[in-house]
Amino acid sequence: DAGVTQSPTHLIKTRGQHVTLRCSPISGHKSVSWYQQVLGQGPQFIFQYYEKEERGRGNFPDRFSARQFPNYSSELNVNALLLGDSALYLCASSLRGFQETQYFGPGTRLLVL
Amino acid sequence: GESVGLHLPTLSVQEGDNSIINCAYSNSASDYFIWYKQESGKGPQFIIDIRSNMDKRQGQRVTVLLNKTVKHLSLQIAATQPGDSAVYFCAENPTLTGTASKLTFGTGTRLQVTL
Repeated sequence: DAGVTQSPTHLIKTRGQHVTLRCSPISGHKSVSWYQQVLGQGPQFIFQYYEKEERGRGNFPDRFSARQFPNYSSELNVNALLLGDSALYLCASSLRGFQETQYFGPGTRLLVL
Repeated sequence: GESVGLHLPTLSVQEGDNSIINCAYSNSASDYFIWYKQESGKGPQFIIDIRSNMDKRQGQRVTVLLNKTVKHLSLQIAATQPGDSAVYFCAENPTLTGTASKLTFGTGTRLQVTL
C-alpha cells in the first residue's frame, strides 16, 4: 500500500519567492495536516484540512496558506519566502483527522537562500 | 512543541539491552498520545499510541506507559537493535483544539545503539 507521498523531495528558492508543496494522503484518508520541522526540533503544526475545509491553523503568518482538493490531496503555499522558512515540510494523513493516528510522508526539504 | 535547538538529549544503549525513553507533556487536557521514530532525512514513523483511559499499551517489542498524575509518558523498547537508532518524539493531542488534531511534539531523544 502506498503511504503518504510528497513532492518535490528537495527545493531551493531565494528570498521573496513563493513555493508550492504537494501531498497525496494514504488512500481512504480524508484529512491532511501540514507541519514544519526546523533542524534539531520537533515538527510544528501549520494546518489541518478535512473534506476540503480548514479545521485548524497553527501559529504561522498569513504568508502560509493551504488547500485540499476533491481527491483529498493538498497543497501548501508559502509566499515572500524568508531565510527562516528553510525547513523540512511534512504532510500527515489520517482517516477523519480527529484524535487518531497521523501518518507522515517523507517531507519536502526547502532551502531558502 | 518544545525546542532544544540542535542539542537533543541522547540515550546510548548496548545492542540487546532494553531502552527507556521519557517524555513530559504539558497539557493536562491531552487525552491522546503518540510515539514517533524519525530516522535521518525521513519523516516521522508511527510506533505506538495510547489514550488517556489507559496507563499501558504494548506492541511488538515496544511498550508505552502513561502517568497522567505527573504528566509523564515513556516508551520502552525491548532487546534494542541497531535499526532502532533514531530520534524519538512523543506527541500529544489536546482536546481543547476542538475538532482539529493538532499534534504538539515534545523534545526529541536521540537513541544510539552500540554494538
